[in-house]
Amino acid sequence: DVKVTQSSRYLVKRTGEKVFLECVQDMDHENMFWYRQDPGLGLRLIYFSYDVKMKEKGDIPEGYSVSREKKERFSLILESASTNQTSMYLCASRGRDREAQPQHFGDGTRLSIL
Amino acid sequence: KQEVTQIPAALSVPEGENLVLNCSFTDSAIYNLQWFRQDPGKGLTSLLLIQSSQREQTSGRLNASLDKSSGRSTLYIAASQPGDSATYLCAVRRGGTASKLTFGTGTRLQVTL
Repeated sequence: DVKVTQSSRYLVKRTGEKVFLECVQDMDHENMFWYRQDPGLGLRLIYFSYDVKMKEKGDIPEGYSVSREKKERFSLILESASTNQTSMYLCASRGRDREAQPQHFGDGTRLSIL
Repeated sequence: KQEVTQIPAALSVPEGENLVLNCSFTDSAIYNLQWFRQDPGKGLTSLLLIQSSQREQTSGRLNASLDKSSGRSTLYIAASQPGDSATYLCAVRRGGTASKLTFGTGTRLQVTL
């Protein structure tokens, strides 16, 4: 069965800290995505990656960076956390683009920046 | 720019009722459309995926249809149950390498006893 695992369900950090959110998928998927979800704003794409070491900016990349050193792992980095980055973060993965596969999501990380 | 709309934003129905959730999109040049459910505080669970060449997909009590030319999809839930209570989101994908999904804002469904 499809499995996308996010390392933490809940995380509390302080303003200015460097924060790492980790995501692992076990389906050998090429594509991986990071979203944030906020009430009234829906799902917004932060970054995505279509291959190891490849990354593309999404709609709201400011204040974030990503790393994909291995195919199964996609990390989201908040370089210097700020209170407006308090949100629900969702990771997703999807197989080869030429194969019309569904996108699968992890359970999410609820991040609070104090 | 693709825009995806889901109406209504919220819906409450008694248990056992059949119901239809709507999704409309502005650009008909899509590759596929996916329906998800999201329980409070959780991630999204994939329900159905319809390719642009298909008219419908079925899984158990769920049936999703697609009318690409008119920019519409519907999710039909038969014999609704309290466990169906969740937010339902549709998302469309255009073709091309690493193409993104464009999400609707969801319909929050409550099925009452």
